Amino acid sequence: QKEVEQNSGPLSVPEGAIASLNCTYSDRVSQSFFWYRQYSGKSPELIMSIYSNGDKEDGRFTAQLNKASQYVSLLIRDSQPSDSATYLCAVKRAGTALIFGKGTTLSVSS
Amino acid sequence: EAGVTQSPTHLIKTRGQQATLRCSPISGHTSVYWYQQALGLGLQFLLWYDEGEERNRGNFPPRFSGRQFPNYSSELNVNALELEDSALYLCASSDGTGGPDTQYFGPGTRLTVL
Repeated sequence: QKEVEQNSGPLSVPEGAIASLNCTYSDRVSQSFFWYRQYSGKSPELIMSIYSNGDKEDGRFTAQLNKASQYVSLLIRDSQPSDSATYLCAVKRAGTALIFGKGTTLSVSS
Repeated sequence: EAGVTQSPTHLIKTRGQQATLRCSPISGHTSVYWYQQALGLGLQFLLWYDEGEERNRGNFPPRFSGRQFPNYSSELNVNALELEDSALYLCASSDGTGGPDTQYFGPGTRLTVL
């Protein structure tokens, strides 16, 4: 089983819609969870971090964490064409580096 | 505040040569991480340095090595380059205080091995 799994997509949504990105992880002792956005040819850019069960909102972005189900998601409200990118889920436990999923490609059409 | 910087932006080498990549962390950050992003393989952890010490390394051969300097900048060396080493090499830094340890990435170095 892969440590961090994401649907590779592409996930296609119309402008203004909600995009829902999902991630599951295998290590139950993972403590920190991150979503990064990566445009083609660029480096990952941090969008959200979440550490506790529940929801965390930042502008148009909401991260959701369910440790019992080993599941973390990212919702993007009012999706814009500029949100078109690859979204990387990463998890971390103490004393280790980030473990990344392979990413979900999001395409927002205008 | 300046972000993580990396040099060079692009590097072209031939098989068997050595490559040296450099990274300067965000001011105040003591931890530096190196990742490799090869086409189709996602981001793979290479090395982690904190306070000048190697803390952990990923599943890469010993020809991938590095070091961290007293000013917390870091260098990644890749010896005996192979074609499959062609990738985007990313450096990230964090404040190394433990806990969430949020990592911020530099722009990367694109290494091409011919």
